[in-house]
Amino acid sequence: DAKTTQPPSMDCAEGRAANLPCNHSTISGNEYVYWYRQIHSQGPQYIIHGLKNNETNEMASLIITEDRKSSTLILPHATLRDTAVYYCIVRASSNDYKLSFGAGTTVTVRA
Amino acid sequence: NAGVTQTPKFQVLKTGQSMTLQCAQDMNHNSMYWYRQDPGMGLRLIYYSASEGTTDKGEVPNGYNVSRLNKREFSLRLESAAPSQTSVYFCASSDPGQGPTEAFFGQGTRLTVV
Repeated sequence: DAKTTQPPSMDCAEGRAANLPCNHSTISGNEYVYWYRQIHSQGPQYIIHGLKNNETNEMASLIITEDRKSSTLILPHATLRDTAVYYCIVRASSNDYKLSFGAGTTVTVRA
Repeated sequence: NAGVTQTPKFQVLKTGQSMTLQCAQDMNHNSMYWYRQDPGMGLRLIYYSASEGTTDKGEVPNGYNVSRLNKREFSLRLESAAPSQTSVYFCASSDPGQGPTEAFFGQGTRLTVV
């Protein structure tokens, strides 16, 4: 699996967009980018995933660069409830679905 | 639809005691996983079961055993607990045979070994 690099922490103002970067320069052609978050030691929660096209769902948007070496998770209107640790994970779509979690980015949304 | 249910939620063990952490999912998923999370760190895979009847070691399997009892249930056993096994344990399930998909996690079991 490709390794990912994320900043350890970032702050965001409530109501503003939060842009979370992730570098995955060794990503392979068949590997997807997944984002999960973990709120205050609860179980991780899936946010979004993508291969090469940008993706959007009700929680967030995922922007993947054309060379696929980096991506950005966008929380369009951050709320206090979005304060969490966000994990960027790269994984091939295969039968062995083993997620490898790094340290993630601790996002603090401030009022 | 409960998703992934873990029991117990909290447990304190003495060094050398044994216990089994239970996990059940009601989403008909083929694959199930056990992770541990130490304070301030990411999750590390202990064991996984790609399908009913199969189990494989993950990143940190030493000191643990698992049983895939049926498609719904995947248990984790500590035969002789050690303080180094103090951690939060998460069970997860997914259905990777359907292509890229999300994993669902339980709420965790907080284990303290004294």
